[in-house]
Amino acid sequence: GQQVMQIPQYQHVQEGEDFTTYCNSSTTLSNIQWYKQRPGGHPVFLIQLVKSGEVKKQKRLTFQFGEAKKNSSLHITATQTTDVGTYFCAPGADGSEKLVFGKGTKLTVNP
Amino acid sequence: DGGITQSPKYLFRKEGQNVTLSCEQNLNHDAMYWYRQDPGQGLRLIYYSQIVNDFQKGDIAEGYSVSREKKESFPLTVTSAQKNPTAFYLCASRRVGSNQPQHFGDGTRLSIL
Repeated sequence: GQQVMQIPQYQHVQEGEDFTTYCNSSTTLSNIQWYKQRPGGHPVFLIQLVKSGEVKKQKRLTFQFGEAKKNSSLHITATQTTDVGTYFCAPGADGSEKLVFGKGTKLTVNP
Repeated sequence: DGGITQSPKYLFRKEGQNVTLSCEQNLNHDAMYWYRQDPGQGLRLIYYSQIVNDFQKGDIAEGYSVSREKKESFPLTVTSAQKNPTAFYLCASRRVGSNQPQHFGDGTRLSIL
């Protein structure tokens, strides 16, 4: 598995504000997955990005994969209290089943 | 995820004692994983297995052992050599293939008495 740096580590926003977390790698990634972990829960798969420059949307969530496939971002528009949790990226590597995660971005939303 | 069962939910260990955490999946997945989660540390990979009777060390395997005698089961033993075992342990599985999503169990929270 590839190593990535995820920033910021913590983010506190007012409800209705936007939020973005970034996942950066020094090497080219074959794909990247994003997961969300609610407080007290377990990580749940959100989406996977595979193609260079790919953009995918899930309602208020927008996921992007960089042109060089070395970075990715998750953007949430108009946050809600239900968005609270920790968001993790997990880079994939061809031919390897080893899957490591970024340290995550913990999002708190003030109602 | 309903397809992965971890037990027990809470576990207490005495100093010098080995304990085994159970992980069972009925998703017919070949690959299984164990992660450790500490506050502010994200998920750290302990061991993973791609097929029955085979497993590989992750980034923090010292003080842990695993077995994979059946496809459905991947138990983790926290040995007395693990000096700081208090953590939240998560088991996951997925189909083989680097683009497959992981499915997680509800976790086991281990504490030292």
